[in-house]
Amino acid sequence: EAGVVQSPRYKIIEKKQPVAFWCNPISGHNTLYWYLQNLGQGPELLIRYENEEAVDDSQLPKDRFSAERLKGVDSTLKIQPAELGDSAVYLCASSFDRDSYNEQFFGPGTRLTVL
Amino acid sequence: AQSVTQLGSHVSVSEGALVLLRCNYSSSVPPYLFWYVQYPNQGLQLLLKYTTGATLVKGINGFEAEFKKSETSFHLTKPSAHMSDAAEYFCAVLGGFKTIFGAGTRLFVKA
Repeated sequence: EAGVVQSPRYKIIEKKQPVAFWCNPISGHNTLYWYLQNLGQGPELLIRYENEEAVDDSQLPKDRFSAERLKGVDSTLKIQPAELGDSAVYLCASSFDRDSYNEQFFGPGTRLTVL
Repeated sequence: AQSVTQLGSHVSVSEGALVLLRCNYSSSVPPYLFWYVQYPNQGLQLLLKYTTGATLVKGINGFEAEFKKSETSFHLTKPSAHMSDAAEYFCAVLGGFKTIFGAGTRLFVKA
């Protein structure tokens, strides 16, 4: 069974440029998460989707960040314009929430460097 | 609100020695607790989880953790460290539908 797929794995851009990350969750997982992981820290939730609905985006900086999951499967996270402080790893995770245990499966992440 | 504190950002052990990674949590409701491992340039992988029932939880790769409500702790242990255990370990608590992660503990294993 394929795991959570993310692309690209690495991205280097100059500040003020736009950037997009793509995530394909495990087949059948209705819940999808985007996390931000700064160096030496744990993941912090940016947004959570249940199917195509964003049910928790309270930590998403909406002035520059946007996300979509139009058909309730794969998802895209966008930053426009990028700032130096956005350099981090962006993790995508998915879960099948038939129960409440919320076991999440993580992708390898996209490492973003903003110059 | 839920929170997690991992004591020690770095832990170093010798190969074959006991591994002990400490985690304390705060939760206003009965917690669901998790330990994840992250190898370099990879995503997080679930090691084990506590939901209800037995307080000693066994996970993959020989790791186990014990939920102690009185101490609000969920420490991770492994009797004998292996070189392949070198990684970053994250404790997490489920609060509502949001998982709160600790800052992580990097485990070094010396030959």
